[in-house]
Amino acid sequence: DAGITQSPRHKVTETGTPVTLRCHQTENHRYMYWYRQDPGHGLRLIHYSYGVKDTDKGEVSDGYSVSRSKTEDFLLTLESATSSQTSVYFCAISGLAGVDEQFFGPGTRLTVL
Amino acid sequence: GENVEQHPSTLSVQEGDSAVIKCTYSDSASNYFPWYKQELGKGPQLIIDIRSNVGEKKDQRIAVTLNKTAKHFSLHITETQPEDSAVYFCAAIMEYGNKLVFGAGTILRVKS
Repeated sequence: DAGITQSPRHKVTETGTPVTLRCHQTENHRYMYWYRQDPGHGLRLIHYSYGVKDTDKGEVSDGYSVSRSKTEDFLLTLESATSSQTSVYFCAISGLAGVDEQFFGPGTRLTVL
Repeated sequence: GENVEQHPSTLSVQEGDSAVIKCTYSDSASNYFPWYKQELGKGPQLIIDIRSNVGEKKDQRIAVTLNKTAKHFSLHITETQPEDSAVYFCAAIMEYGNKLVFGAGTILRVKS
């Protein structure tokens, strides 16, 4: 998985609780992304980062925030989890060999009850 | 913004046959089109990609074709094997920023 780890790999939480997912890379890539994957929707971009402390919104950013204080770490936070945020979350990186190719982590399965 | 449609949603083929998955995109400025393979419980893996300055690219049993005029691109897998069974996603890069827009995916089943 191109030196990308995600933690936790599985999480069950309750509606209204805050949740933070972590993506860690050892590849020194500039760009990092958070996607969610849901049946029938493919992968949809939540937020992305183009450098330390530089982030921008994606297609489905409502209810999510991100932070990137170091090149290697990109955090996704659900401030108050809802059942509609039950999904599989993938982190991706790009930008060393080229700005286009993205490489994905193993994913985090999040269930919000 | 960019929109990517992918067909079919499921595809069953006999081992040894060919499989073709097609995608269309809406943004004529898109210039990068990757294909990903996702096995159960894993993250998507880039298998082949094509840029808008070429019409076809091959890598062993896998090929991708691009028709910029018609705004569609296709994945071709020849001599399919059971290990080709997976979900395949096409994508196109948006004009601004390194943001990919994905198709909804195709479940490929190769029957032995």
